[in-house]
Amino acid sequence: AQSVSQHNHHVILSEAASLELGCNYSYGGTVNLFWYVQYPGQHLQLLLKYFSGDPLVKGIKGFEAEFIKSKFSFNLRKPSVQWSDTAEYFCAVKPSSGSARQLTFGSGTQLTVLP
Amino acid sequence: EAQVTQNPRYLITVTGKKLTVTCSQNMNHEYMSWYRQDPGLGLRQIYYSMNVEVTDKGDVPEGYKVSRKEKRNFPLILESPSPNQTSLYFCASSLGGQPMHFGDGTRLSIL
Repeated sequence: AQSVSQHNHHVILSEAASLELGCNYSYGGTVNLFWYVQYPGQHLQLLLKYFSGDPLVKGIKGFEAEFIKSKFSFNLRKPSVQWSDTAEYFCAVKPSSGSARQLTFGSGTQLTVLP
Repeated sequence: EAQVTQNPRYLITVTGKKLTVTCSQNMNHEYMSWYRQDPGLGLRQIYYSMNVEVTDKGDVPEGYKVSRKEKRNFPLILESPSPNQTSLYFCASSLGGQPMHFGDGTRLSIL
């Protein structure tokens, strides 16, 4: 079974700072990768996804992530964060040939952006 | 509008009093799932359903039941709730291997 590690539990940044949230997974085969965001009091929303092709994936709200297969990583980045980016961020992985049942989430990273 | 609807959004109840959290999706998704979210643990899958009348245990099924009599509905049942089931619960649905759509969550407090 696969697993997902998000090593940063809580990240605090000032507005306009650059963001990088780490995500590493363990699985021997090909994977689908996702980043979800959960704004305070809201449900999870998809930020971006990687299925195949270009390993640099662009998502909504200026976020992007890079899949580095050799490092089993899918880090989330944003050049300049805003106060409204304060949220919890979840990385998730699923075997490419697997069903939705096999989607595994990381423990989440709480991002606080100070105005 | 495509959505997953959960009810209630908040519930405070007492140990042992049976409760049901409803979940309905309007996207004709075959796959539905329940998660609980606890601080530091992320989302853990409770039960899932691949289609009508097809359900199976996830990673933390103890103390929960589900049913899938219709494609759109996937209720979560706590027959005898206990305080360790105090949590934030999310229902989700998807089609094939596509990303999940999540409901707004149900915050349960069991005293």
